[in-house]
Amino acid sequence: NAGVTQTPKFQVLKTGQSMTLQCAQDMNHEYMSWYRQDPGMGLRLIHYSVGAGITDQGEVPNGYNVSRSTTEDFPLRLLSAAPSQTSVYFCASRGTGWSQPQHFGDGTRLSIL
Amino acid sequence: AQSVTQLGSHVSVSEGALVLLRCNYSSSVPPYLFWYVQYPNQGLQLLLKYTTGATLVKGINGFEAEFKKSETSFHLTKPSAHMSDAAEYFCAVSGVYSGGGADGLTFGKGTHLIIQP
Repeated sequence: NAGVTQTPKFQVLKTGQSMTLQCAQDMNHEYMSWYRQDPGMGLRLIHYSVGAGITDQGEVPNGYNVSRSTTEDFPLRLLSAAPSQTSVYFCASRGTGWSQPQHFGDGTRLSIL
Repeated sequence: AQSVTQLGSHVSVSEGALVLLRCNYSSSVPPYLFWYVQYPNQGLQLLLKYTTGATLVKGINGFEAEFKKSETSFHLTKPSAHMSDAAEYFCAVSGVYSGGGADGLTFGKGTHLIIQP
């Protein structure tokens, strides 16, 4: 099983550029989430989805956009990159039910110059 | 709102010594509890989880954790540290009353475990 796959693994952008971080899972999970990880701040939720066609905001949604057209895919779009968005981004998925653990991808390391 | 507190952003132990990583949560209703490990340049992996039943939970790599309702704690332990245990460890809670995270999950800020040779 591939689990949760994120692409690219590394990316460097210039301020103002846009890009899409890809996330795909092959476990038929309804729940998918995007987090950013910054030193000393742990994981912060950006956006999440409880199923195809349903998305909602997390703790730090500004500057990011998501959509969920299929169960498998949950891309994260940076609309106009800013240096403050330099971070490591993780996609995760889990099954239905509060006892289900998150399955994480390996992350995308993003630098904004 | 739900919160998770991990005491100590960095914990250093000698190889072969006991590992104790502390996690306390705030909730009037016992949530579901998880410990995750993150090795350098990787995503988080599930170490163990508590849902219901036995309060002492065994996980991978020799780790275990005990759910103590009266202390609202879920501390992670390993009897003998190994160099390969050096990593970041995250405690997390979820549940219908978990109001901290919008998706029902709340993570602690993590504890970096350092193993001294």
